[in-house]
Amino acid sequence: EAGVVQSPRYKIIEKKQPVAFWCNPISGHNTLYWYLQNLGQGPELLIRYENEEAVDDSQLPKDRFSAERLKGVDSTLKIQPAELGDSAVYLCASSSPREADTQYFGPGTRLTVL
Amino acid sequence: AQSVTQLDSQVPVFEEAPVELRCNYSSSVSVYLFWYVQYPNQGLQLLLKYLSGSTLVKGINGFEAEFNKSQTSFHLRKPSVHISDTAEYFCAVTKNTGFQKLVFGTGTRLLVSP
Repeated sequence: EAGVVQSPRYKIIEKKQPVAFWCNPISGHNTLYWYLQNLGQGPELLIRYENEEAVDDSQLPKDRFSAERLKGVDSTLKIQPAELGDSAVYLCASSSPREADTQYFGPGTRLTVL
Repeated sequence: AQSVTQLDSQVPVFEEAPVELRCNYSSSVSVYLFWYVQYPNQGLQLLLKYLSGSTLVKGINGFEAEFNKSQTSFHLRKPSVHISDTAEYFCAVTKNTGFQKLVFGTGTRLLVSP
């Protein structure tokens, strides 16, 4: 069984540029999470989807961040415009109804904003 | 709200020695507790979890943890570590009404040397 796939793995951009991250969850996993992990910190939840519905986006900075999960499978997280402080690792995770207590994480996208 | 404290940012240990990584949590409601491991440039992998029942839980790679409600702790232990256990370890908590939002600690870096 394939794990959570994320792309790109690394991204370097200049400030004020837009950037997008893509996540493909494990097949059959209806819940998808985006986390932000700053250097030396634990992950922090940005947004959680149940199928195509964003059920918890309270921690998503909506002035510059947006996310979508069309058709309830793949998801895209976008930042526009990026700021220096957005440099971090963006992790995607998914879980299934049968194993709701376990989140499976992708390898993450490391963003560097210059 | 829930919170997690991992007091040790780094724990150096020699190969084949025992190790304990400390985790304390704070919550006004009952919780579920988790330990995740993160190897360099990889996503998080679930080591073990406490949901209910026996307070001593066993996980993968020879790790175990004990839930202590009176001390609000969930310390991770391994009787004999290997070089390959070198990684970042994160303790996480969520309300026992659901698994929607994991709150992570800041992590403990385990450094195993020969």
